[in-house]
Formats: sequence, structure tokens, C-alpha cells
Amino acid sequence: ETGVTQTPRHLVMGMTNKKSLKCEQHLGHNAMYWYKQSAKKPLELMFVYSLEERVENNSVPSRFSPECPNSSHLFLHLHTLQPEDSALYLCASSRDRGPRSYNEQFFGPGTRLTVL
Amino acid sequence: ILNVEQSPQSLHVQEGDSTNFTCSFPSSNFYALHWYRWETAKSPEALFVMTLNGDEKKKGRISATLNTKEGYSYLYIKGSQPEDSATYLCAFARGGSQGNLIFGKGTKLSVKP
Repeated sequence: ETGVTQTPRHLVMGMTNKKSLKCEQHLGHNAMYWYKQSAKKPLELMFVYSLEERVENNSVPSRFSPECPNSSHLFLHLHTLQPEDSALYLCASSRDRGPRSYNEQFFGPGTRLTVL
Repeated sequence: ILNVEQSPQSLHVQEGDSTNFTCSFPSSNFYALHWYRWETAKSPEALFVMTLNGDEKKKGRISATLNTKEGYSYLYIKGSQPEDSATYLCAFARGGSQGNLIFGKGTKLSVKP
């Protein structure tokens, strides 16, 4: 298996549920990202991990909790979400990040989340 | 607030037509400009990363130009094919952002056979 994979591809959850989104990259990259795409909006960066350390939190509510146990895996734990959190959640990875990195990102296919 | 604007929002062309669309971004503190191609139900796929004013890049029938002084990039598709149907995203990285990308909403291209 190559590239960036995400599971599940679709998820329906109630507001009181706890669920997790999983992302895995097989590219040997050091940086991983979570993005959100809501209807008619551009991709919005949520979190950035570099070498398994969270380096960016783009003012995301605490009901979204990321976890990066190793450089190949990234999770997004979801708890007490709201209907307006329904969106497509995309994971991406890049070789590295920093002032000398032009940071081409490789994306997964996304998880389509619906919160009832 | 940093905005990346793409136009048109959507575009319908006939097979064989050539087409182009625009990405506008802040002209100050430029670092890089990315183009991605995103087919429905698939992953966004990188087309080009452009860093220098006047850059021109080409991949098959698709090419892109970059003007960092005025803050725009054009994407051209020559002889469109149905398989070119996708949403084309551009993303801007500013200096000092560690390469974080700010995306436009995309241009959705539909090519009819």
C-alpha cells in the first residue's frame, strides 16, 4: 500500500458519541496535517505535526483532539461534536516543513463526517 | 486576513477546447504557490509548486505561470479531455509560515465529450 490512506471514508455520529479518524502515510514523511473542508469553503488547516510533535493548532475547538503516536500515523479524536462540524476531513503529509521546505503535500481521500 | 481567490468558480468546456483559470494571492511576503488537481471522491494531487517570479511549469497538456509581483498565477489546459474534469485548487504559502498553505475555493472544470 502506498500514499496516504484514511479510515473510515464515511462516518455518521451523534453529538454525544466519541469517534476517531485515522490517517496513515507510507511515504516516510516527517510532517502530517489535518484539514477541514466545509461546504463552499476552502480547505482549512486544523493541526500540523512535525516529527510527531504538534507544532500548529489553528484555533480548533477542544472537541477535536489530534494524536500522532509515530511519524506514520495521525488520529483525530472527536467528542461532543456539533452538527456544524459536519464536513470532509482530509489528512496530508509532507517530507518535512520549515523555512527551506517548499512543502508539497500528499493528501488522503478524506473522511466525510456527518454529525446528527 | 490572507485570501486566495480563484476564478471562475466553475467552468464547462467541450472536449478539445483550451482553457485557463486564475489564482490571486497576496503579493507581499510570497514564499510559494501550489496547484492541486482534485477529482471527485479521490485525493487532491499536486500538480506544481512554484517559487520564483516568472516561473512557468508544464506537465503534459497542463501548464502554469506565476507573477509574484502582482500576485497571480494562471493554469492552462490545452485540448481539454473528459479526464481533465476535476476541481483545481491553488494554495499560497507566505514567508515565515513554515510552508503552511492557504487554499482557494477552487475552480471546478467539467469537460464534455
